Amino acid sequence: EPEVTQTPSHQVTQMGQEVILRCVPISNHLYFYWYRQILGQKVEFLVSFYNNEISEKSEIFDDQFSVERPDGSNFTLKIRSTKLEDSAMYFCASSTDRGVYEQYFGPGTRLTVT
Amino acid sequence: RKEVEQDPGPFNVPEGATVAFNCTYSNSASQSFFWYRQDCRKEPKLLMSVYSSGNEDGRFTAQLNRASQYISLLIRDSKLSDSATYLCVVNIANNRLAFGKGNQVVVIP
Repeated sequence: EPEVTQTPSHQVTQMGQEVILRCVPISNHLYFYWYRQILGQKVEFLVSFYNNEISEKSEIFDDQFSVERPDGSNFTLKIRSTKLEDSAMYFCASSTDRGVYEQYFGPGTRLTVT
Repeated sequence: RKEVEQDPGPFNVPEGATVAFNCTYSNSASQSFFWYRQDCRKEPKLLMSVYSSGNEDGRFTAQLNRASQYISLLIRDSKLSDSATYLCVVNIANNRLAFGKGNQVVVIP
């Protein structure tokens, strides 16, 4: 069964450093997403991406964040200058279409900012 | 009002028993609804979509009440492996999901 994959599984970085989280969505999916979950809290939407551009983003997704699909398979989330409060689990998801279609999540990258 | 509200529990359920919980959502324009399961420190995994007519998948039954804006999940004949957090998820825009905090279920032998 096809699945979303993410690397690395755990990233430790110092405050102020840039990090890039990588995802490979399911191959025939067209919509890609990033969510985050701070420990003990609910999953929060960050951004959705379709046809090589952002289709929607939340208030959390400020200028420090960017997304890119650098090739036909990878989908990346970059945080330019990490803060302590960026420590969270970051999940990538993908779906075949938008709206009613189910989103499938990758295993996540645990980001720890020290 | 929060987009999706759930009573976090925990719900301690004897093995073999039935457990049910609801969630409420605030956006009356929402068109699609899901239950996801999340194990500790793992990703949300799709359990089932929730349709207007209600739907069943084995021991799991989901219902949607649009008038009252709530969604329910019922688990029959609980197994130890059902212990997890069940996330109520609502599509609040074209491709943006809103999650509840989850109902934590602990199945006790």
